[in-house]
Amino acid sequence: DADVTQTPRNRITKTGKRIMLECSQTKGHDRMYWYRQDPGLGLQLIYYSFDVKDINKGEISDGYSVSRQAQAKFSLSLESAIPNQTALYFCATSDQGLSEQFFGPGTRLTVL
Amino acid sequence: RKEVEQDPGPFNVPEGATVAFNCTYSNSASQSFFWYRQDCRKEPKLLMSVYSSGNEDGRFTAQLNRASQYISLLIRDSKLSDSATYLCVVNQAGTALIFGKGTTLSVSS
Repeated sequence: DADVTQTPRNRITKTGKRIMLECSQTKGHDRMYWYRQDPGLGLQLIYYSFDVKDINKGEISDGYSVSRQAQAKFSLSLESAIPNQTALYFCATSDQGLSEQFFGPGTRLTVL
Repeated sequence: RKEVEQDPGPFNVPEGATVAFNCTYSNSASQSFFWYRQDCRKEPKLLMSVYSSGNEDGRFTAQLNRASQYISLLIRDSKLSDSATYLCVVNQAGTALIFGKGTTLSVSS
């Protein structure tokens, strides 16, 4: 079984709809992250959490919110989706310190 | 200035070629360094960590120059399967990883 899972894997929605992307991990890591990736722009950090009670904005948090429900779960919400939020979204986890990050398989979101 | 800068490429090389990618980072407080590989529409995966002393893993060699804030990745004897995007990544204490936009490599037969 994958260590970091994301649901759904693909989603098509309409402008104005509320969308939640979910991430779960079995690695026992404290730190979790949400990124979006657009062609030519690389990975952009949306939000990150260093433990259950910690939430931090990344470089592009506007239009997004997150919830860290448990050590193993970190969800990303788009309160009112807009077309320029069409992107590939990745969840990642890491252990404490300066260690590498492990990524989920991604969610491809299309907002019409 | 972007925090992590890479030449986007693409680098188009024949099988067996040696190719080198470079990366610069702007924050001298950066403490750990990585190269990730990303295949099209897939998640990034760690290729190798980068240490000040330099490190090698088979055909791949990574180098770090802290004074110049410069990281490199050398791939020898390129294989078709090396075709991917290579992401330079730095980490500072207390923050998330910072990713470069990636360098695309295409190896042809």
